[in-house]
Amino acid sequence: DQQVKQNSPSLSVQEGRISILNCDYTNSMFDYFLWYKKYPAEGPTFLISISSIKDKNEDGRFTVFLNKSAKHLSLHIVPSQPGDSAVYFCAAVSNTGNQFYFGTGTSLTVIP
Amino acid sequence: GAGVSQSPSNKVTEKGKDVELRCDPISGHTALYWYRQSLGQGLEFLIYFQGNSAPDKSGLPSDRFSAERTGGSVSTLTIQRTQQEDSAVYLCASRRASGSTETQYFGPGTRLLVL
Repeated sequence: DQQVKQNSPSLSVQEGRISILNCDYTNSMFDYFLWYKKYPAEGPTFLISISSIKDKNEDGRFTVFLNKSAKHLSLHIVPSQPGDSAVYFCAAVSNTGNQFYFGTGTSLTVIP
Repeated sequence: GAGVSQSPSNKVTEKGKDVELRCDPISGHTALYWYRQSLGQGLEFLIYFQGNSAPDKSGLPSDRFSAERTGGSVSTLTIQRTQQEDSAVYLCASRRASGSTETQYFGPGTRLLVL
């Protein structure tokens, strides 16, 4: 049973525009959420995270929003750059802080 | 500093053979995870090691899968009598400590193809 879902397998965006990647989860006990970025033939790399006590975290061009009532989080990238083209995974951490639950990923293509 | 390394980077094997995958975590990281990513799927949790505690094996898909972590550092994931459905990228990640705010650092993965 998939506890973290990314319903859009792919997304294409023009360079300079905003990219919005979405993620839904089912377990209200998750208390920490992360986004990872993955290039082909490489492992995922950490991008940005948010604690369940916050609703927004910003780091440069990347902002993560958390809506706990809707069990939804999103990653905004603005402005999008061609180098942002990668697969983005959403992950949630259980309240024990040990097990990570990953979504299936969204492949972002930023068109120059 | 050195990141997480995995070997081999690619492995092709015949159905029924055993394979061993290796992970070298970041030095000093106490937690180590194994994941599997099948084609078109997300990261599937396999097993988790934390210090000297008993590992969390709840994600291992069958008794053909096992893992060890020797000396609290290097880990090996063994798949016995491989099947075609075992073909996937096997990713290892390490983490400095437990606790929900500690991020994971991933290795590049081992791409396993079972013919």
